[in-house]
Amino acid sequence: EAGVAQSPRYKIIEKRQSVAFWCNPISGHATLYWYQQILGQGPKLLIQFQNNGVVDDSQLPKDRFSAERLKGVDSTLKIQPAKLEDSAVYLCASSLGPRLAGTYNEQFFGPGTRLTVL
Amino acid sequence: AQSVTQLDSQVPVFEEAPVELRCNYSSSVSVYLFWYVQYPNQGLQLLLKYLSGSTLVKGINGFEAEFNKSQTSFHLRKPSVHISDTAEYFCAVKETSGSRLTFGEGTQLTVNP
Repeated sequence: EAGVAQSPRYKIIEKRQSVAFWCNPISGHATLYWYQQILGQGPKLLIQFQNNGVVDDSQLPKDRFSAERLKGVDSTLKIQPAKLEDSAVYLCASSLGPRLAGTYNEQFFGPGTRLTVL
Repeated sequence: AQSVTQLDSQVPVFEEAPVELRCNYSSSVSVYLFWYVQYPNQGLQLLLKYLSGSTLVKGINGFEAEFNKSQTSFHLRKPSVHISDTAEYFCAVKETSGSRLTFGEGTQLTVNP
């Protein structure tokens, strides 16, 4: 079974430029997550989709970050304009959903996109 | 709000030695607990999880963890490590009624020959 796919794997941009990341979740997974992992820290949830609807975007810096999941499958995360502090690995994950009470649907992670902002 | 503290940022050990990676959590409600491993330039892989039942949880690659509710801890252990266990390990917590995973800052385990 194919895992979560992300592209590009690496991206270097200048500050104030725009950048977009793409994620293709595991087939049949209704829930999709974007995480930001700054060097030396654990991943932090940016946004969670259930099908094509947003479940949680409370930690997404909405003045510069946006995300969409058209047709409830692939997703893109955009940063416009980028700042130096956006340098991080952006991880996409997916899981089955919705879950039954008392159960847990494992999140499967992609390899990430490493963004460097100069 | 939930939070996770991983008490050691780096743990160096020799091959075939035992290891314990420490994790404490904070939450006002019941939680699920997880350990993930991240190899260089790869995504996170689930090692093991505690949802309910037995407090001793066994995972992949010979790892196990024990949930201690009174001490709010979920330490990860392996009796004999291999060079291939060198990686970053993350403890994570999720409220049973919520959907957000909160990760600790990670522990870099380095296994030396």
